Amino acid sequence: IAGITQAPTSQILAAGRRMTLRCTQDMRHNAMYWYRQDLGLGLRLIHYSNTAGTTGKGEVPDGYSVSRANTDDFPLTLASAVPSQTSVYFCASSDSRVNEQFFGPGTRLTVL
Amino acid sequence: GQNIDQPTEMTATEGAIVQINCTYQTSGFNGLFWYQQHAGEAPTFLSYNVLDGLEEKGRFSSFLSRSKGYSYLLLKELQMKDSASYLCAGMDSNYQLIWGAGTKLIIKP
Repeated sequence: IAGITQAPTSQILAAGRRMTLRCTQDMRHNAMYWYRQDLGLGLRLIHYSNTAGTTGKGEVPDGYSVSRANTDDFPLTLASAVPSQTSVYFCASSDSRVNEQFFGPGTRLTVL
Repeated sequence: GQNIDQPTEMTATEGAIVQINCTYQTSGFNGLFWYQQHAGEAPTFLSYNVLDGLEEKGRFSSFLSRSKGYSYLLLKELQMKDSASYLCAGMDSNYQLIWGAGTKLIIKP
């Protein structure tokens, strides 16, 4: 692995289903983030983690949950998907809160 | 409230210079970032300004005026590969990035 990876690349999901988006980084960065990107809107922060074992809510956390059991992994779970969660999801990491964020390639999620 | 404003779209000619403006309003301020995002790809970091003034990095420069809540990204000697969206983001007092919707830059031959 080089950098930050996300899986799956894309997914079509029925409303009401549970889904986990995976994110893994090998840069030993302390901070990790989940964003969603919708047409015409800026990236919006869903959840973040400043260090392993801690998480925090961003601007749009409702309907999503995260965990940070170790430094490398930061999965995002949609407990019961709804069509408004159709979006492109980006995971990002940084070695500290003030430094540049490195982004994964994104997951394109469609909820029908 | 917190807000980032930047133009939706700009067009420029190959070889020319273009300036993309951004005005920001954040709760506290810990710096201003610019990212580049090609269609269908992830954003990539271009620049970070926390003090007033101009930061130059090759063909790209970024300027910040904290008193005016204003920044710009200057791209020189435009190349076709510079066609992309340019995202402005302000870092607030909680170290969270507030993102603009992006400026789509179209380069014409």
